[in-house]
Amino acid sequence: QSALTQPASVSGSPGQSITISCTGTSSDIGGYNSVSWYQQHPGKAPKLIIYDVSNRPSGVSNRFSGSKSGNTASLTISGLQAEDEAYYYCSSYTTSSTLVVFGGGTKLTVL
Amino acid sequence: VLLVESGGGLVQPGESLRLSCVGSGFTVSSNYMSWVRQTPGKGLEWVSIIYSDGSAFYADSVKGRFTISRDNSKNILYLQMNSLRSEDTAIYYCAGDCCSSRRVDHWGQGTLVTVSS
Repeated sequence: QSALTQPASVSGSPGQSITISCTGTSSDIGGYNSVSWYQQHPGKAPKLIIYDVSNRPSGVSNRFSGSKSGNTASLTISGLQAEDEAYYYCSSYTTSSTLVVFGGGTKLTVL
Repeated sequence: VLLVESGGGLVQPGESLRLSCVGSGFTVSSNYMSWVRQTPGKGLEWVSIIYSDGSAFYADSVKGRFTISRDNSKNILYLQMNSLRSEDTAIYYCAGDCCSSRRVDHWGQGTLVTVSS
């Protein structure tokens, strides 16, 4: 069982917006602004798309945005495109000896 | 930036394996370098990290069995894995970030480690 909780799947139609949640505790998400989001297509390595809750690395589309409220972080993808169909993982710094924890991943299906 | 892992394979429980990761366009010694593994059942799991000052940290699940190290002259990151268990079976990714230990901006393609009798 992953330390951070994500929905197993979400779906949306092209052009729509979707939001993926990531719930932790005060020892990780709630206590630090060190939430990251990764996109992973099948057979590929993960790709960083959001860091420090809401920052986008250079080259990442502004259709991806992140936020946090309390112990829950969220990833919003606007203007859904077919290429957005992938798995999305959240991660956070944690005060446990693990240092970094991941969510179990969410499969995004673009209908 | 290119990170290329090697060294994965099939081993029996209790055996050892050493993974390597060669950096190109990315200096292993001056960045935060991690190993992250992925299994179908458990998703992504952070395994270990080494800082530019040489400090190293491990997930509880591998502490005492795995050792992260690097060869600065060759720009190579290593993961020595001893006393391997079936639950260590996973794709192991070499990963790095210039600026934080709390995220990963660059990933290798992964190398598969299978522990089975």
